[in-house]
Amino acid sequence: EIVLTQSPGTLSLSPGDRATLSCSASETVNSTYLAWFQHRPGQAPSLLIYDTSKRAPGIPGRFRGGGAGTNFTLTITRLEPEDFAVYYCQQFGSSPLTFGGGTNVDIK
Amino acid sequence: QVQLVQSGAEVKKPGSSVKISCQASGGSFNSYNMTWMRQVPGQGLEWMGGIIPLLGAPAYAQKFQGRITITADKSTKTAYMELSSLRSADTAVYYCARGGGYYDVFTGYSPHWLDSWGQGTLVIVSS
Repeated sequence: EIVLTQSPGTLSLSPGDRATLSCSASETVNSTYLAWFQHRPGQAPSLLIYDTSKRAPGIPGRFRGGGAGTNFTLTITRLEPEDFAVYYCQQFGSSPLTFGGGTNVDIK
Repeated sequence: QVQLVQSGAEVKKPGSSVKISCQASGGSFNSYNMTWMRQVPGQGLEWMGGIIPLLGAPAYAQKFQGRITITADKSTKTAYMELSSLRSADTAVYYCARGGGYYDVFTGYSPHWLDSWGQGTLVIVSS
């Protein structure tokens, strides 16, 4: 199975800061099949990015996905208070579907 | 955008079974994979399996083989996940989501992102 490793585990930042989250795959992931989710406590995860860089409907432009091969990134250009949450990368092109361990973006 | 509503929280004894439902409304159901995941407290998200209702053949994570049954009822647009031989390590929040795959009668199967999630169902396994 494709193992996804996210770094850092925790990112302590302030509102207005830029956040850069990394997702490294154990083997090449077709960029069409890489997604990012936001997970707030007590809520269901919600889709942010699919196909590596396409924003899901309603997702603001400050969320940007990129990368290729085995290295992918999620950038939040300017953190808003509602962006403090856990973020997961996920690949869905190869079975089993796998998720990264998550990056917790918390308030500094 | 499809809405997914899951059944309510459950408290189960070790060795018993739990069956969780996930009803879809407002969107397509039959051709998309209905995927099940869980999150054990303090851990990340874990894929358990899924089913494309149109095809009816489920796929399961190896870890759960023999203990999990995923079904779907096209008439009510509801997917079900049953996990048996429960143990305390199965205490988790269980999620359904639409996606993971999509089946088109002309082009066949293709991967698809998880575009909608249920609200989650807490299952506590305790004696």
